[in-house]
Amino acid sequence: DIQMTQSPSSLSASVGDRVTITCRASQGIRNDLGWYQQKPGKAPKRLIYAASSLQSGVPSRFSGRGSGTEFTLTISSLQPEDFATYYCLQHDSYPWTFGQGTKVQIK
Amino acid sequence: QVQLQESGPGLVKPSQTLSLACTVSGGSMSSGSYYWSWIRQPAGKGLEWIGYIYTSGSTNYNPSLKSRVTISVDTSKNQFSLRLSSVTAADTAVYYCARSGVAYCSGGSCHSGAPDIWGQGTMVTVSS
Repeated sequence: DIQMTQSPSSLSASVGDRVTITCRASQGIRNDLGWYQQKPGKAPKRLIYAASSLQSGVPSRFSGRGSGTEFTLTISSLQPEDFATYYCLQHDSYPWTFGQGTKVQIK
Repeated sequence: QVQLQESGPGLVKPSQTLSLACTVSGGSMSSGSYYWSWIRQPAGKGLEWIGYIYTSGSTNYNPSLKSRVTISVDTSKNQFSLRLSSVTAADTAVYYCARSGVAYCSGGSCHSGAPDIWGQGTMVTVSS
């Protein structure tokens, strides 16, 4: 299985901060990666697909970069509604695997 | 706007079979090429992909669950289903159904994108 190592596991940040989350794949996955936001009691919501394409309706402060084994999700200016847990998902090889999650908390 | 809704028993006894359905509304499962997945999340933990069924009827399962999982589709009901046999407490989780489109096709086979539409999830507890 491809291991997705997500870092950090949690972070504290203030409104307006720039935040970057990283996912590293144990082997190359091309750009077959999505980023998700999950709030308590809710289903994950896709933010980014194909590593860097912004999902329709998602604010432009979210961006994704990377290919191969290293990927980042950046929130350019953190907003109150962005406090949540974020997951990456690789769907290049079976089984699909998720990162362990990054909880973004209010400082 | 396509929506997904999971349904099924919230409590299953150990060693029995967990059965869930995902009803698709706002569009026909038969139109277009999609991957219909099941994903689960134990309380306070991360996400685990269980498997999917493609529009063609082909399936792909997580090897960690493959011996116990069956995903099927009933296009007449616009539903797809999950069966997980011989359940234990470790199968207690929120179960989500989700849809992926085709990201690209190459060499005669097509590759799924990341799931874009998810159901709200249904909690299943395995307990006697």
